[in-house]
Amino acid sequence: KQEVTQIPAALSVPEGENLVLNCSFTDSAIYNLQWFRQDPGKGLTSLLLIQSSQREQTSGRLNASLDKSSGRSTLYIAASQPGDSATYLCAVSQGGSEKLVFGKGTKLTVNP
Amino acid sequence: ETGVTQSPTHLIKTRGQQVTLRCSSQSGHNTVSWYQQALGQGPQFIFQYYREEENGRGNFPPRFSGLQFPNYSSELNVNALELNDSALYLCASSNGPLGAQYFGPGTRLLVL
Repeated sequence: KQEVTQIPAALSVPEGENLVLNCSFTDSAIYNLQWFRQDPGKGLTSLLLIQSSQREQTSGRLNASLDKSSGRSTLYIAASQPGDSATYLCAVSQGGSEKLVFGKGTKLTVNP
Repeated sequence: ETGVTQSPTHLIKTRGQQVTLRCSSQSGHNTVSWYQQALGQGPQFIFQYYREEENGRGNFPPRFSGLQFPNYSSELNVNALELNDSALYLCASSNGPLGAQYFGPGTRLLVL
């Protein structure tokens, strides 16, 4: 059974700092991995999707890496801003399975 | 292009009642997945509908049921509501069962 863990559960940083969020998964036979952002009480916004054959994806100040063999992914946020404050969720899908398996998320607070 | 929409945004029910939640998929998407997110947790997969047929189900009892219509919109029905059904219900649409999933804003259900 696939399990996804995100560390830390919460993170508070000053504005402008570069930061890394971690995601690990127990079964390396994944189809893809997605990072999402969730604002309080809201739905999920897809940030980056990495296919199993890829090592990383970039979008603006965000960079996500994937190491399938070790079951790890990181989300790097450069020059953090107060508007980046949200919960960040990592989810994996496996070939032949239609469902996404989510971690519990990392709650990020960026202080002005 | 219209994104994923859900209705209603909030709902209050009492234990034992029945509820229907609705989801309109993004234009061009033929697959809808439903997730339940309890407070402080990651979303949990309920089931997926592809071309009007159930295409996978998570660990939820039969009182959770669904439908998909010819226009690919979908309903989630929950019978005999229990207190722990209180959660944010998210729907996601995709182009095919393994496509990247795009989430709606969610329906917040409170069972008293």
